[in-house]
Amino acid sequence: DSGVTQTPKHLITATGQRVTLRCSPRSGDLSVYWYQQSLDQGLQFLIQYYNGEERAKGNILERFSAQQFPDLHSELNLSSLELGDSALYFCASSVEGRRANEQFFGPGTRLTVL
Amino acid sequence: AQSVTQLGSHVSVSEGALVLLRCNYSSSVPPYLFWYVQYPNQGLQLLLKYTTGATLVKGINGFEAEFKKSETSFHLTKPSAHMSDAAEYFCAVSEDDKIIFGKGTRLHILP
Repeated sequence: DSGVTQTPKHLITATGQRVTLRCSPRSGDLSVYWYQQSLDQGLQFLIQYYNGEERAKGNILERFSAQQFPDLHSELNLSSLELGDSALYFCASSVEGRRANEQFFGPGTRLTVL
Repeated sequence: AQSVTQLGSHVSVSEGALVLLRCNYSSSVPPYLFWYVQYPNQGLQLLLKYTTGATLVKGINGFEAEFKKSETSFHLTKPSAHMSDAAEYFCAVSEDDKIIFGKGTRLHILP
């Protein structure tokens, strides 16, 4: 158990819909990262937050957005969903946002868009 | 720009045999390098990392990796494979505050 929690574990929805994925980092970790894992694209970095502020952006679509709240939990919002958005979404956390820090991964949310 | 190439999307070894998973990277600055493992239906777990110092890095579960700057490689090895090592392994490089992952290598252990 990494100490990072993600809800829900599974999510099934239809095209065009909007969903919210939630992540609670390990106690004491200030930085949260979101990743998308799919068979064709592999593990793709989406976005990083550090202590409530956006720190780095990766291959995140404009239909996707995220935020980190004062209690440090984070939410990833996916809108106008397409079939291709079906994937495993991971959240990870680290103590700080520095590149040497180990990232601890949550168990993931499996999103299925029908 | 940083990138990671993992040679072989699937690798099969016999139980007790040497495990060698290959990783090459590109980075414009001295890289920080990582190996993560993902067991079925789980998130990723750090096996080991290289930041500075000794180029041979030891990790958990008997794995180790050697940073070779001249070859831009960071191959993962384990002397003797165990059935419990069957998983997907990801090499990653960090140049700034984000980590870029390779596409992963699925390790199969043959009895």
